Amino acid sequence: EDQVTQSPEALRLQEGESSSLNCSYTVSGLRGLFWYRQDPGKGPEFLFTLYSAGEEKEKERLKATLTKKESFLHITAPKPEDSATYLCAVQAKYGGATNKLIFGTGTLLAVQP
Amino acid sequence: EPEVTQTPSHQVTQMGQEVILRCVPISNHLYFYWYRQILGQKVEFLVSFYNNEISEKSEIFDDQFSVERPDGSNFTLKIRSTKLEDSAMYFCASRPGREDSPLHFGNGTRLTVT
Repeated sequence: EDQVTQSPEALRLQEGESSSLNCSYTVSGLRGLFWYRQDPGKGPEFLFTLYSAGEEKEKERLKATLTKKESFLHITAPKPEDSATYLCAVQAKYGGATNKLIFGTGTLLAVQP
Repeated sequence: EPEVTQTPSHQVTQMGQEVILRCVPISNHLYFYWYRQILGQKVEFLVSFYNNEISEKSEIFDDQFSVERPDGSNFTLKIRSTKLEDSAMYFCASRPGREDSPLHFGNGTRLTVT
C-alpha cells in the first residue's frame, strides 16, 4: 500500500534557526513527490515537485531534496512568516491516469521571533 | 494568478440533509478533484473527474456522494444524506493536462453536520 510518513509532527524554531522536515514514502513506482504549505483554514499551496532521486529544488529559504526512500524540506534562517503546516504528497506511477496525491499528516512549523 | 475558488466557505447542515459544495476550477485545467480533511487528520482523496466523467474514486466516495460539472466552469460535490462523520474541510483541486503537473487547491468548504 502506498504510504507517506512525515516527521516531526510539530517543530518549534527560533527565527534564524535552520532545520529540516522529513517525508518518508513507500510507493509502487514514484511519479512525483510534492511539497505543499498549508496555512490555518486554507487549502494546500504548491511549493515543489521532485521526480527522481538526487533532485533538488529551491525557493527562497526552502530547499527540497529527494532520495529513493525519503524527501527533506530544509528551512534556512526561517522567519515567523514561514510558520505553517508543511505537507508532503506522492503520486504513484501506477496510480491511474488521474495521478491522485497521497498525503502525509504534515509537520506543523512554528517560528518564533 | 488564476486560482481555484470554492463556495460557501462554511456550511452548517443537519444530519440527513443534502448539501452541494461548489467549485470553480482554473479555466484551462482538465482534471478536477475533491479531497477532504477531517480535523487533525490527513488530506484524503475522494474522487477525480476528467472528460465529464469520474475517472477514479476512493472507498470513501460511496453512493451518498456524487460529482457534476454542469457547465464549462463549475464543479460540484453533492452529499445526498449527510452524516455526522461527513464533517470536514472539503477541498477542490484542478490541474492541467500534463501528467506531472501539480494540483492547485481551493481554500475549502468547512462542512459541519449537526
